[in-house]
Amino acid sequence: GAVVSQHPSWVICKSGTSVKIECRSLDFQATTMFWYRQFPKQSLMLMATSNEGSKATYEQGVEKDKFLINHASLTLSTLTVTSAHPEDSSFYICSARGAGALSKNIQYFGAGTRLSVL
Amino acid sequence: QKEVEQDPGPLSVPEGAIVSLNCTYSNSAFQYFMWYRQYSRKGPELLMYTYSSGNKEDGRFTAQVDKSSKYISLFIRDSQPSDSATYLCAMSGGNEKLTFGTGTRLTIIP
Repeated sequence: GAVVSQHPSWVICKSGTSVKIECRSLDFQATTMFWYRQFPKQSLMLMATSNEGSKATYEQGVEKDKFLINHASLTLSTLTVTSAHPEDSSFYICSARGAGALSKNIQYFGAGTRLSVL
Repeated sequence: QKEVEQDPGPLSVPEGAIVSLNCTYSNSAFQYFMWYRQYSRKGPELLMYTYSSGNKEDGRFTAQVDKSSKYISLFIRDSQPSDSATYLCAMSGGNEKLTFGTGTRLTIIP
């Protein structure tokens, strides 16, 4: 149980284009999902918290217009990197908060998306 | 001072050895403690989850939490080359967000 699927696993795009990354909870409903960014050999940096049916909450320093997050259903959240530039190249990882009294404090992660902007 | 401190390693041990990974923290509000394993270019995989103080065992893995010392540990018995990965501790006070350690890179030498 508690499987989170993230797609695509790797994307290469040209500078100036937009890229959409999908995150799905496959066997549970996730009212809350999270988006992280990870640089090589560093820990995860939280970008935003996504709640189903409402606007995402962004961490300080994360550009809302640059990283568009949509959480339209209980099993799907998307991150769109708009007008991507080489400095946006990174490893993006989503997670979903578990359901239930105890597991709501656990996050289950997707496999990550490696974005390369040329 | 960071809220969560974790030795980044790298840590190399021979196959079959017992591995001890540790984190210390400063926020006494943390109640939920997790260990994740992350292979290169993959997302973190939940290994162990503990609520409050105590020990929890799952196969070759044992997680310990000592809230009085603000110290958590993960022990891996009979370590295998497939255990080579980065291990992240994470904790939460129940407000949804996780606070991560920097991760410890572990290599098991055959």
